[in-house]
Amino acid sequence: DSGVTQTPKHLITATGQRVTLRCSPRSGDLSVYWYQQSLDQGLQFLIQYYNGEERAKGNILERFSAQQFPDLHSELNLSSLELGDSALYFCASSADENIQYFGAGTRLSVL
Amino acid sequence: AQSVTQLGSHVSVSEGALVLLRCNYSSSVPPYLFWYVQYPNQGLQLLLKYTSAATLVKGINGFEAEFKKSETSFHLTKPSAHMRDAAEYFCAVSEGFGNQFYFGTGTSLTVIP
Repeated sequence: DSGVTQTPKHLITATGQRVTLRCSPRSGDLSVYWYQQSLDQGLQFLIQYYNGEERAKGNILERFSAQQFPDLHSELNLSSLELGDSALYFCASSADENIQYFGAGTRLSVL
Repeated sequence: AQSVTQLGSHVSVSEGALVLLRCNYSSSVPPYLFWYVQYPNQGLQLLLKYTSAATLVKGINGFEAEFKKSETSFHLTKPSAHMRDAAEYFCAVSEGFGNQFYFGTGTSLTVIP
């Protein structure tokens, strides 16, 4: 168990809908990272937050947004969903030892 | 800019044979290098990490990796493959604390009984 909790584990929704994925980092970790993993794109970095502030942005679509709250949990919001958004979404957290600890992921299926 | 190249998206070895998974990186500063393993339907788990101490790094499950600056490589090895080693392996590079990780495209390891 990495200590990173992601909910829900599975999400099935329809095109055009909006969903929110939640991540609780390891206790005390200030950095949270979001990744998308799909068969054709591999593991893609989406965005990083550090202590509530956006730190780095990767291949994140404009339809996607994220935030990190004062209690350090983070949410990834995906809107106007398309079939191609179906993927595994991972959250990772890290502290000052510069190791990313990954959650078990949320599997999103857009039908 | 940093990047990671993993040569071979699929590697098959016989049980008991040597495992060699290749990773080359590019970085403008001394890098932090990582190998992660992903078992089916699970998240990524850290195997080992290089942080400019010893060039030969030992990780979990009998894996080790050697940092070779002259070759900009960080190949992962295990002397004897076990069936449970079948998984996806990712190499990653980072410039340091709080910085983005750059992952390779992954290598799927199959172990043949």
